[in-house]
Amino acid sequence: SSELTQDPAVSVALGQTVRITCQGDSLRNFYASWYQQRSGQAPILVIYAKNNRPSGIPDRFSGSNSGNTASLTITGAQAEDEADYYCNSRGSSGWHWVFGGGTKLTVL
Amino acid sequence: QIQLVQSGAEVKRPGASVKVSCKASGYAFTGHYMHWVRQAPGQGLEWMGVIHPTGERTMYEEKFQGRVTLTTDPSASTMYMELSSLRSEDTAVYYCARDVSDSSSSWWFDSWGQGTLVTVSS
Repeated sequence: SSELTQDPAVSVALGQTVRITCQGDSLRNFYASWYQQRSGQAPILVIYAKNNRPSGIPDRFSGSNSGNTASLTITGAQAEDEADYYCNSRGSSGWHWVFGGGTKLTVL
Repeated sequence: QIQLVQSGAEVKRPGASVKVSCKASGYAFTGHYMHWVRQAPGQGLEWMGVIHPTGERTMYEEKFQGRVTLTTDPSASTMYMELSSLRSEDTAVYYCARDVSDSSSSWWFDSWGQGTLVTVSS
């Protein structure tokens, strides 16, 4: 089992707000990063460090952290946001990295 | 711009080894660690290991210890992932991903290779 836990699937109506969460003990010490993976494509970084977006990522994507939980929020979800989302951080031992199991986002 | 270009798809027999390359360009090669991540069909992302660009340090996920070897050729700006004793469960897309860190508490993978499909089949 993964050290980082994500809900397997989440759905959101077009234009509404959705939050995807990631839980794990390592998140008390290390920030999570978030990756979007569309079908058949390589992952791309969408949120890193405390709440930073790489160039080219829309500002409807944001991140937050509280205790052992990291969250990715999409405010005003678009059809093109339909994808799998993965969180990642260093593991509890600090000597490895770990991904959450992934959340499949469906935009209705 | 930053580019990570991986070698092409491979088909291997069980018990064989595979070596995947990742050629980096567009940045100072020795300035960033490189991670390797795999994804089995229909499954999630799985971290395998990380290597310092000069090869002086490597860390491997425990489940791959003894079977995976990460190496680097700074003169060619290329990193390699070799996986031995292949079994059908190793069928997956293998990615290299560039490491970036801004503190002792924050790391991320800002650029990814296109992925290399390794199929293990008899």
